[in-house]
Amino acid sequence: QQQVKQSPQSLIVQKGGISIINCAYENTAFDYFPWYQQFPGKGPALLIAIRPDVSEKKEGRFTISFNKSAKQFSLHIMDSQPGDSATYFCAASVGRRDMRFGAGTRLTVKP
Amino acid sequence: KAGVTQTPRYLIKTRGQQVTLSCSPISGHRSVSWYQQTPGQGLQFLFEYFSETQRNKGNFPGRFSGRQFSNSRSEMNVSTLELGDSALYLCASSLGGSNQPQHFGDGTRLSIL
Repeated sequence: QQQVKQSPQSLIVQKGGISIINCAYENTAFDYFPWYQQFPGKGPALLIAIRPDVSEKKEGRFTISFNKSAKQFSLHIMDSQPGDSATYFCAASVGRRDMRFGAGTRLTVKP
Repeated sequence: KAGVTQTPRYLIKTRGQQVTLSCSPISGHRSVSWYQQTPGQGLQFLFEYFSETQRNKGNFPGRFSGRQFSNSRSEMNVSTLELGDSALYLCASSLGGSNQPQHFGDGTRLSIL
């Protein structure tokens, strides 16, 4: 039962470009929407998170845009760097527990 | 501050065996959640423990079980292993409150032969 749909599956971006990953959710009870970054051989690391009462949150080069009415949220990586090459997961949960993850996006930033 | 520690990092078992995985949370964290990660199904929630009690459970068969000790360390057990149980098993800890983020360990890679 996939409650969070993530796209695209893979993404190739040139260095300095903008990477955009989209997610859509079904459960309107979700109240916490984090993005995780995972490098090979490592566990996911929390990148940035947003609550539904906020439409946008920015931390450095990473921005989450949230559209509550459309039940969609997206991650924008500005000035993408080769070191950003990783798999990105969106997730959603109620009260930060029982996290439901998207399928992941493999990002490759070409130098 | 040490992160979430999972042991062992790699494990090879055969069908029908059972396995126990261990997770030591970040000091002070009282909530431990377990996830299964596979290429086909992605990251799936198994269960969460808080103060030695299971607080949430995902949609996995009863062969998957866990427990948490008084020092917040947690173990996950899988009995009667099947080929499809081959996966990366991840543990995440948090302080436990509704506003606390989860921190993941690097996982245990379980391979079933």
